[in-house]
Amino acid sequence: GAVVSQHPSWVICKSGTSVKIECRSLDFQATTMFWYRQFPKQSLMLMATSNEGSKATYEQGVEKDKFLINHASLTLSTLTVTSAHPEDSSFYICSARDHAAPNYGYTFGSGTRLTVV
Amino acid sequence: LAKTTQPISMDSYEGQEVNITCSHNNIATNDYITWYQQFPSQGPRFIIQGYKTKVTNEVASLFIPADRKSSTLSLPRVSLSDTAVYYCLVGDTGGFKTIFGAGTRLFVKA
Repeated sequence: GAVVSQHPSWVICKSGTSVKIECRSLDFQATTMFWYRQFPKQSLMLMATSNEGSKATYEQGVEKDKFLINHASLTLSTLTVTSAHPEDSSFYICSARDHAAPNYGYTFGSGTRLTVV
Repeated sequence: LAKTTQPISMDSYEGQEVNITCSHNNIATNDYITWYQQFPSQGPRFIIQGYKTKVTNEVASLFIPADRKSSTLSLPRVSLSDTAVYYCLVGDTGGFKTIFGAGTRLFVKA
């Protein structure tokens, strides 16, 4: 089945630094990928829709200058948390859909645990 | 996007059948119903998807009544490893916004 690889699985960074998270579709092309954030014991919150070759679409309340998204190829989207602060500590998850297999929903990455100290 | 409502939590014992119901009163004609499972510190995993009546795969069954305003995920003979959060999502297969509700936390006890 479709596989989405997300790296790193966890990262610790200092306040004020930037962190990049990668999301790759391994065996299918994804013109669209999605980025979510999840706080402990809460549901996934959609942050933005990443579109290959064009600007990402951000959900209301998500700062586009803080969460930079780049979708330069059909298999790779990156999320960069810029000038990270402790309140950005969260679990970040990406997802994509294999349009050749629409009956199998979206495939999610394994997530990235970001801790800002 | 159709809003979904699920019970916040459910408890069960090993070997029992568990049924989790999701309400989606404003489901659209083109919408499918998809269920995901999430373990702590992992991304959600696809369980099953359906449009109407009944769908069954190797891990679960999905029951959808004729009016499609609700759906029930059925997990046969659960085990401790089925303890997880289960999410019901509604949307068309070509759509690209997947909005998660609160989900149902299932606790399976020995």
